[in-house]
Amino acid sequence: GAVVSQHPSRVICKSGTSVKIECRSLDFQATTMFWYRQFPKKSLMLMATSNEGSKATYEQGVEKDKFLINHASLTLSTLTVTSAHPEDSSFYICSASGTPNTEAFFGQGTRLTVV
Amino acid sequence: GENVEQHPSTLSVQEGDSAVIKCTYSDSASNYFPWYKQELGKRPQLIIDIRSNVGEKKDQRIAVTLNKTAKHFSLHITETQPEDSAVYFCAAVSAGNQFYFGTGTSLTVIP
Repeated sequence: GAVVSQHPSRVICKSGTSVKIECRSLDFQATTMFWYRQFPKKSLMLMATSNEGSKATYEQGVEKDKFLINHASLTLSTLTVTSAHPEDSSFYICSASGTPNTEAFFGQGTRLTVV
Repeated sequence: GENVEQHPSTLSVQEGDSAVIKCTYSDSASNYFPWYKQELGKRPQLIIDIRSNVGEKKDQRIAVTLNKTAKHFSLHITETQPEDSAVYFCAAVSAGNQFYFGTGTSLTVIP
């Protein structure tokens, strides 16, 4: 299958700082990228969907000013957690789709710890 | 958005037995239903998918059924093996191409 690379895999930051997570599709053009948050032993909670060149669509309850998503190219989307707090500590994982309503490929995830 | 429910949350079966995981969805416009397997510490991987114009699909020991009228779909794993142990997620994909996942099923296959 296609390859999606997410970076960094782990990050520790201080409360109040911002953290940027990158999601890259390495061998295909991702017209749509998805950002999820996964709690321990829990499911994947969709945070937002982004299409290349347009604003992300955020799910209800997700603060768009806190979780900034940029999808400037067909191979890169970024998630920036602004003014991070300990409650933002979680596992964030992206996925990318080249064609609508077909398989989405996942990145390896980012473990964010805010101290 | 779409609401996907998945049952059971945990499932233990003896090696060689079958495992069935069921999901329901709320948005009748959803038209694509993939199933992902996530092994511990790894990213989710697609194992099988089905589209709304098909009622059943099979790939070796794995099969998926879809009932559009009732808005539910199921994953069937036959002749289970220890390496089938993982967390399985169903998903319903909306007409807008948003993937909504179920709550996951932790499957343990006992040798």
